[in-house]
Amino acid sequence: ETGVTQTPRHLVMGMTNKKSLKCEQHLGHNAMYWYKQSAKKPLELMFVYNFKEQTENNSVPSRFSPECPNSSHLFLHLHTLQPEDSALYLCASSHSRAMARVNYGYTFGSGTRLTVV
Amino acid sequence: DQQVKQNSPSLSVQEGRISILNCDYTNSMFDYFLWYKKYPAEGPTFLISISSIKDKNEDGRFTVFLNKSAKHLSLHIVPSQPGDSAVYFCAASPTYFHPDNYGQNFVFGPGTRLSVLP
Repeated sequence: ETGVTQTPRHLVMGMTNKKSLKCEQHLGHNAMYWYKQSAKKPLELMFVYNFKEQTENNSVPSRFSPECPNSSHLFLHLHTLQPEDSALYLCASSHSRAMARVNYGYTFGSGTRLTVV
Repeated sequence: DQQVKQNSPSLSVQEGRISILNCDYTNSMFDYFLWYKKYPAEGPTFLISISSIKDKNEDGRFTVFLNKSAKHLSLHIVPSQPGDSAVYFCAASPTYFHPDNYGQNFVFGPGTRLSVLP
C-alpha cells in the first residue's frame, strides 16, 4: 500500500482506557507529524519527528504520548483521555522538516476519528 | 491568535460558476502558501501552491492569487464542478532562508467548506 496509512479509522474509547493510533508511510519520508482536527478549528500540530527524533511537542497534555520506532512508523498512545479530546487525528509525512516546502508540503493519512465517552 | 484565517466557514456555488475561497494571514514572514482539499473521511490532499515571488499560479481549473501587501490569497475554481465540493484549507510557511525559521512547520487555516450545487 502506498501513501500514508492510519489505523484504526474509527475508535471509541472510555476515559479510563488505553489505546494506540498507528501511522505508516511507504514514501521514504523522514519527517512525520501528528495533527488534531477539531470541528471548525485549524489543524493543530501536536508532535513532529524528524529522522526518528522528536523535534516538537506543541504543549500537548501528557495523556498523549507519541512513539516513532523508525522513519516509517508513528504511534500515538492514548490514556485517560477526556471527552474534549474527541477529534480527527491526522498523521502526515514529508521528505524532511526542511524539505516540506520543496516537496509541496505534507502527505496526510485519512485520519482516525476518535470519540471519547 | 490565528496566523492564518479563512473567514468564510462555508460557500455555496452553482455548478459551472466561479468559486472564490479567501485566506488572510498576519505573519509577514510567510512566503510560501499551499491549498489543500479535504473530502469527508479522507486526509487533506495538496491542491496548489504559490511562492511570494509570484502573484499568480495556475493549474487547470485552479488559480491561486497572492496579494502580499494585503497579506491575502485567494483560490479560484472555474468552472466549479460538484466533485469540487470539499473543505479547502489554506496553509502558510515562513521564509525558508531565515535561520530562525529553518524547518518551520506549515500553519493551517480553519478551512472553508465549498458546496457546488448541480
